[in-house]
Amino acid sequence: GAGVSQSPRYKVAKRGQDVALRCDPISGHVSLFWYQQALGQGPEFLTYFQNEAQLDKSGLPSDRFFAERPEGSVSTLKIQRTQQEDSAVYLCASSLASGEKLFFGSGTQLSVL
Amino acid sequence: GENVEQHPSTLSVQEGDSAVIKCTYSDSASNYFPWYKQELGKGPQLIIDIRSNVGEKKDQRIAVTLNKTAKHFSLHITETQPEDSAVYFCAALFSGSARQLTFGSGTQLTVLP
Repeated sequence: GAGVSQSPRYKVAKRGQDVALRCDPISGHVSLFWYQQALGQGPEFLTYFQNEAQLDKSGLPSDRFFAERPEGSVSTLKIQRTQQEDSAVYLCASSLASGEKLFFGSGTQLSVL
Repeated sequence: GENVEQHPSTLSVQEGDSAVIKCTYSDSASNYFPWYKQELGKGPQLIIDIRSNVGEKKDQRIAVTLNKTAKHFSLHITETQPEDSAVYFCAALFSGSARQLTFGSGTQLTVLP
């Protein structure tokens, strides 16, 4: 596809369940970012990959959050033992290089009950 | 840490009027300032960006101005149309960070027909 693709579009999880969110970036984009967006707020940085290397994970809120991009293309954000405060929209973005001109996907809306 | 303040949080204008949204940033070393438009249920979309070596940039009905001394930048939309209604986010790329954008809290713009 021409844009950043994220799946699933919606995810409902019971508290304590593990979830996996997928991001398929624009082909050829070296940089990939994950952001968390709470209702009515701006996106907040979670983690950054350059190719397969995770160069910054300073925004991950706890060790329950884990992200990977093993082949430098598709990325997965995994949240273990989900809590209600994890409910948010998780956005993935990619760019040709660095943090400029990011293209965002439509996000995964996670609801933890 | 890096911070971006955005005002106003909501803005209503009549169709055809102009809209102005303002942001301030905390780190004088910031060098890249994009603006994103987010429609309901979609990811943010880049509409215009400016670098710190430029004072103003225009693209059809949209313009951005940057005042490095005062550490603020503004989005100007002229001849507003109903399809301009959305949430707008400013952001800043701080030169000392690992290429992550810091976003403002957003402005809900409503263009009244």
